[in-house]
Amino acid sequence: AQTVTQSQPEMSVQEAETVTLSCTYDTSENNYYLFWYKQPPSRQMILVIRQEAYKQQNATENRFSVNFQKAAKSFSLKISDSQLGDTAMYFCAFMGNTNAGKSTFGDGTTLTVKP
Amino acid sequence: GAVVSQHPSWVICKSGTSVKIECRSLDFQATTMFWYRQFPKQSLMLMATSNEGSKATYEQGVEKDKFLINHASLTLSTLTVTSAHPEDSSFYICSASNTGNSPLHFGNGTRLTVT
Repeated sequence: AQTVTQSQPEMSVQEAETVTLSCTYDTSENNYYLFWYKQPPSRQMILVIRQEAYKQQNATENRFSVNFQKAAKSFSLKISDSQLGDTAMYFCAFMGNTNAGKSTFGDGTTLTVKP
Repeated sequence: GAVVSQHPSWVICKSGTSVKIECRSLDFQATTMFWYRQFPKQSLMLMATSNEGSKATYEQGVEKDKFLINHASLTLSTLTVTSAHPEDSSFYICSASNTGNSPLHFGNGTRLTVT
């Protein structure tokens, strides 16, 4: 079974600064997908970024980028130029290649962006 | 694209009654949908995988007679909480993906309060 670990229950960052959220996972699969989802106070789950394990290049979406280290099974999220609207709970998620969308979620990191 | 609609957004019911929550994929067909339960400031706990045209697959510890899932069409899955009790009060979220390896698209969630 896969496990996803987010070791930072809470983090804070000043507006406009950079913050990195950590995530490690454990799997015996070779092909899989990793995601970061954001859940703001509205509780709507929103996709932030995705990474395919077979791609070595780290995914980037505007101010959001990942540091994917497959051998170390690490998948951290970097948020640059933090904005107040980034305040949310962030979940790291693992999806195997054979489970048609079934995902394993980490416990989440609550990020607060301070003005 | 890839919108998932969940209804109702919130519901209050009396102990002993049943409540039905609907999850619809609006612009894609979803042979598989997922139902989660989320407690405040915690992660998503997968309750069951809803399979179109067949029985749902429940996670260990989830009472299938308590949480009835029906996936009668490619765009609709329903979760019925039967004989609800105050301990069933929670936030319930559904999700679906439009391909086997695409990110999950989430409904807005349903806040259930059982009095």
